[in-house]
Amino acid sequence: ETGVTQTPRHLVMGMTNKKSLKCEQHLGHNAMYWYKQSAKKPLELMFVYNFKEQTENNSVPSRFSPECPNSSHLFLHLHTLQPEDSALYLCASSQGGVSGNTIYFGEGSWLTVV
Amino acid sequence: AQSVTQPDIHITVSEGASLELRCNYSYGATPYLFWYVQSPGQGLQLLLKYFSGDTLVQGIKGFEAEFKRSQSSFNLRKPSVHWSDAAEYFCAVGNSGGYQKVTFGTGTKLQVIP
Repeated sequence: ETGVTQTPRHLVMGMTNKKSLKCEQHLGHNAMYWYKQSAKKPLELMFVYNFKEQTENNSVPSRFSPECPNSSHLFLHLHTLQPEDSALYLCASSQGGVSGNTIYFGEGSWLTVV
Repeated sequence: AQSVTQPDIHITVSEGASLELRCNYSYGATPYLFWYVQSPGQGLQLLLKYFSGDTLVQGIKGFEAEFKRSQSSFNLRKPSVHWSDAAEYFCAVGNSGGYQKVTFGTGTKLQVIP
């Protein structure tokens, strides 16, 4: 069990569906992240929120929409996805505002787009 | 831009044998370096990290890594591998900012044979 909890663990959705991935961290951190892990590719940083403000958006398509209502929760809203978006989506957190801190990961949400 | 290279995609070792996983990084200043392990279907677990100080870092599960600035390397070692060590291992380099913009290598998959 980690301090970062992701739900659902598995999600199958059609290309016209709208769904959301949820992440909650219990570590008292202020920075939260979404990473995408596809087969045979390095982990890709998608978004970073630091003290609830989005500080990184690595050219992620608009069909992925993040939301960070507070420092403990992070959502990834999904709509009109493509099959190539099928991947493991990892949420993570770290202590924001202090340099050199460790990122702690959740167990991931497996997304399959059909 | 920071980058990480893990030259070995797949390594097979016998149980009880020693292990060394290679990692080379590129970063303009003093790097923050990490090793993570990922078991199938799971998120990433931190094995160890280097921020400063002693260049030989001890981690969990009997792993250690040595930072060599002259070689831009941060290789992971274990003197005697156990079957439960079979997993994928990721080296990563982070920045020194207020949140971690971590770049991961492509990973090394470790197979342990009896």
